[in-house]
Amino acid sequence: EVQLVESGGGLVQPGRSLRLSCAASGFSFSSYSMNWVRQAPGKGLEWVSYISSSISTIYYADSVKGRFTISRDNAKNSVYLQMNSLRDEDTAVYYCARELLTDLDYWGQGTLVTVSS
Amino acid sequence: QSVLTQPPSASGTPGQRVTISCSGSSSNIGSNTVNWYQQLPGTAPKLLIHSNNQRPSGVPDRFSGSKSGTSASLAISGLQSEDEADYYCATWSDSLNGRVFGGGTKLTVL
Repeated sequence: EVQLVESGGGLVQPGRSLRLSCAASGFSFSSYSMNWVRQAPGKGLEWVSYISSSISTIYYADSVKGRFTISRDNAKNSVYLQMNSLRDEDTAVYYCARELLTDLDYWGQGTLVTVSS
Repeated sequence: QSVLTQPPSASGTPGQRVTISCSGSSSNIGSNTVNWYQQLPGTAPKLLIHSNNQRPSGVPDRFSGSKSGTSASLAISGLQSEDEADYYCATWSDSLNGRVFGGGTKLTVL
């Protein structure tokens, strides 16, 4: 069974940093690209970042470029999101999602990040 | 606002057929496949339709997708109360070099 479990969310002050993790199981993690998608309270989905299976290709949404860094450790079946210089508008549930061709076919349950002083 | 345009709400009665539209441009829907996601209250999104009109295993055939030019649509026939959820379209944007989502449509079953 495919499972994606996010962790690392919490309350953080503006300008500080946070690192999210997503542990994958039930599939050959190193063969799949991964994404982070976020959802602000009461709002829609916003794609954040993408990393290819071989780490050769990485993309970011303009809203996080230069502040967030996606990475992965295929030996640990995990993908990460390092979030620096956090802003109020980064408050959201962050989901990791597996990518199959062009689809996000499996999603984790999400981890809540609250940026507030 | 979102790159892809969806109506904020839709509704229907049990058994009815409902369609949800998703409008984009030549750099996103016009040149890439469209996916649809269903998000039930308090849960993570779930892939409902991929590659414009393909249903993943386990998705009832009441759900169907289509794409024409720079627009796509999701149709739900035989509406059921458990279909009450938020629905999002998504695709890749060649101009933004990123994935884009519609703003979401809240479906209410009356």
